[in-house]
Amino acid sequence: TQLLEQSPQFLSIQEGENLTVYCNSSSVFSSLQWYRQEPGEGPVLLVTVVTGGEVKKLKRLTFQFGDARKDSSLHITAAQPGDTGLYLCAGDRGSTLGRLYFGRGTQLTVWP
Amino acid sequence: NAGVTQTPKFRVLKTGQSMTLLCAQDMNHEYMYWYRQDPGMGLRLIHYSVGEGTTAKGEVPDGYNVSRLKKQNFLLGLESAAPSQTSVYFCASKIYASNQPQHFGDGTRLSIL
Repeated sequence: TQLLEQSPQFLSIQEGENLTVYCNSSSVFSSLQWYRQEPGEGPVLLVTVVTGGEVKKLKRLTFQFGDARKDSSLHITAAQPGDTGLYLCAGDRGSTLGRLYFGRGTQLTVWP
Repeated sequence: NAGVTQTPKFRVLKTGQSMTLLCAQDMNHEYMYWYRQDPGMGLRLIHYSVGEGTTAKGEVPDGYNVSRLKKQNFLLGLESAAPSQTSVYFCASKIYASNQPQHFGDGTRLSIL
């Protein structure tokens, strides 16, 4: 059973379109992290959201943490081909083990 | 800045062979993790370590063993490789603090024939 459900699994859009990726759970997390992974490389952190209701912006990317700290979303405005990649959400339950629970990922392809 | 280094980058094994994957980090991180990544499955935790000399099982530990004799190194072993272990393996490390990110290596692509 996946602790974090991420959707959609695949997104194929044209340059300039907007998109949203969702990460949902029935569990509460102390923080939610978003990573981006490119082919042949490991995931790289984009952002960490910690406070319920928090919104963080990274250029054209907007990240939101749900009020109850059970869900998060990533919104990309005016997507560009350079945004292509695998986006992963990961939840930290705040244990001393430092363990992250990963969603299955969203493979985004942006066509020029 | 080396960060997390995994060796080898690619390997092909025959069923039943054994091998060890090496992960080295130069950030003095206490925590280290081994994941496998399969299409559509995200990252699944195999084993992890919260400090030198300690290891623990993750969600998919069967068929793997690990050791952390030195703080900077975390080894993943396959005693008798099976085709189901064909995957991309990632190592990650993390500082001992809440809500901090994990730092990943670039992966080892392992094929078992």
